[in-house]
Amino acid sequence: GQNIDQPTEMTATEGAIVQINCTYQTSGFNGLFWYQQHAGEAPTFLSYNVLDGLEEKGRFSSFLSRSKGYSYLLLKELQMKDSASYLCAVRDSNYQLIWGAGTKLIIKP
Amino acid sequence: IAGITQAPTSQILAAGRRMTLRCTQDMRHNAMYWYRQDLGLGLRLIHYSNTAGTTGKGEVPDGYSVSRANTDDFPLTLASAVPSQTSVYFCASSDSTGDSGANVLTFGAGSRLTVL
Repeated sequence: GQNIDQPTEMTATEGAIVQINCTYQTSGFNGLFWYQQHAGEAPTFLSYNVLDGLEEKGRFSSFLSRSKGYSYLLLKELQMKDSASYLCAVRDSNYQLIWGAGTKLIIKP
Repeated sequence: IAGITQAPTSQILAAGRRMTLRCTQDMRHNAMYWYRQDLGLGLRLIHYSNTAGTTGKGEVPDGYSVSRANTDDFPLTLASAVPSQTSVYFCASSDSTGDSGANVLTFGAGSRLTVL
């Protein structure tokens, strides 16, 4: 079966750095996505990786290793507004998105 | 403001009743999707439409139907609601069907449905 694993919950301190990991086992691979979802709101797109390596976008970076079936989302200079769930999704060989259950990130002052 | 509008925002429904969740987008996106989100589970695709006039089944289609009469509207119908359909439903759209580039999804604000 297809599977996306992420930690259920993480806690970090305002101003710090946090890394959210995602491992996947899917039928083929056509890209990996990270979305942010604040409580009670819609998911919004953060990043897309299709080749190995690091993609940086401001305070957020996303890394992919296809050989290891692994990605991480790195958030720097954490702000209170970063408290949200972070969803990892992989597009499989049929171009269907397989979603992880999400990681709830709690930021403490 | 361009985006996706879903209605209703929230609804409590008796089991056995028929319910249609509405979804309208104004971005002229070709592809539209319906997902359900349940605690502890990832988003699960119910139905999708790659272009107006076509629809397809997702991972969890049973008990749901959709139609795509035009580009903008993609309603989801529960013919006879059951308690297991209690969930938050998200409509989403993208300007491609996934085999070119990032195919980023834009989501609506969601419809919270409770079936008693």
